Amino acid sequence: GENVEQHPSTLSVQEGDSAVIKCTYSDSASNYFPWYKQELGKRPQLIIDIRSNVGEKKDQRIAVTLNKTAKHFSLHITETQPEDSAVYFCAASVADKLIFGTGTRLQVFP
Amino acid sequence: EPEVTQTPSHQVTQMGQEVILRCVPISNHLYFYWYRQILGQKVEFLVSFYNNEISEKSEIFDDQFSVERPDGSNFTLKIRSTKLEDSAMYFCASRLRGSGANVLTFGAGSRLTVL
Repeated sequence: GENVEQHPSTLSVQEGDSAVIKCTYSDSASNYFPWYKQELGKRPQLIIDIRSNVGEKKDQRIAVTLNKTAKHFSLHITETQPEDSAVYFCAASVADKLIFGTGTRLQVFP
Repeated sequence: EPEVTQTPSHQVTQMGQEVILRCVPISNHLYFYWYRQILGQKVEFLVSFYNNEISEKSEIFDDQFSVERPDGSNFTLKIRSTKLEDSAMYFCASRLRGSGANVLTFGAGSRLTVL
């Protein structure tokens, strides 16, 4: 079955710096790759997603890139702010389900 | 904005007891899911449900678990005889059918504590 690996597990940056989180997936049939932000005790919230027919997508300070050949995708956050601090999960969609990565705890220090 | 609602928000139970977690998906959604998240760990797929039957389930979803949609609006997860390791946050999710169909909307979760 699909396996999604995510790195790093923790990431600390200074406010205003960029943050990059990387994921790899194993099933070449996966065709949809969302990123979720989860604040402590809250539900996962979709922040951006990309489909397999697109290489890059941007939404203000957030961008996602996808390399289908290498089976990896990345989340890029520019000009980080303290409110970006949370756990970020990547996921890959195969068949009828999302398989999540192990999460990255991002801390943005003012 | 439409929401997936879950009840209870927190349930404490004794090991061996039955638990039912309830979800009301978004009204025009057709696919329903249960995920769980053990504290500090990743979100794990349990089961997907479409057209009144299970479409896929994970290894976690063993004979102790069952799902049903009893009345066309509620979507329930039952754990027959809870174990300590069932303690987790359980998220219900739903989605539409169609080109944007992969986009899941999650509920706020039900925290289950098994003592």
